[in-house]
Amino acid sequence: EAQVTQNPRYLITVTGKKLTVTCSQNMNHEYMSWYRQDPGLGLRQIYYSMNVEVTDKGDVPEGYKVSRKEKRNFPLILESPSPNQTSLYFCASSLFGTANTEAFFGQGTRLTVV
Amino acid sequence: GENVEQHPSTLSVQEGDSAVIKCTYSDSASNYFPWYKQELGKRPQLIIDIRSNVGEKKDQRIAVTLNKTAKHFSLHITETQPEDSAVYFCAARESYNQGGKLIFGQGTELSVKP
Repeated sequence: EAQVTQNPRYLITVTGKKLTVTCSQNMNHEYMSWYRQDPGLGLRQIYYSMNVEVTDKGDVPEGYKVSRKEKRNFPLILESPSPNQTSLYFCASSLFGTANTEAFFGQGTRLTVV
Repeated sequence: GENVEQHPSTLSVQEGDSAVIKCTYSDSASNYFPWYKQELGKRPQLIIDIRSNVGEKKDQRIAVTLNKTAKHFSLHITETQPEDSAVYFCAARESYNQGGKLIFGQGTELSVKP
């Protein structure tokens, strides 16, 4: 089954404790991205990657890091989480450079930083 | 970069009525406009999309129209049903030479009252 898988689904952590949210897709998509969803603000892009070893900042990259060492994986790293990073996070993937550009989303990760 | 504005933020209709959600975008080079539906506690899922070479697209009770000159596009849901209740997001994809980012509107919470 074609899917994007995120882990964990729920996470409560303390300020300053490094964490990683994993994202994996099995559709051989080149393009992957991370979004955060906050009430009234929609989905805002944090980082994106057009292919292996190619990453770039989205609209709200501060406090986040990503890596793309393999095509299928795109982890989101919070080196020193703060309470303003409490949010619902989605990973998404899509083909790149073709007419079919539907974005497939993971199940979401609800992060609480206390 | 691209900017997408979505209205209204909330919409309440009676079952059987029509619902219309409108979005405007800023970058005339954007060429792909999807609509996503997000049910409570779930991931966004594509319901319909339109490309810049098409003015209208229909799929059963939902339709999308695109006015490239005015840079706006709309989602139309006819004969609404309670299961249409969800948050709807419009989006515009930047041209690939700008990074191909998918920029989302702020979302519309649709409530269909039986």
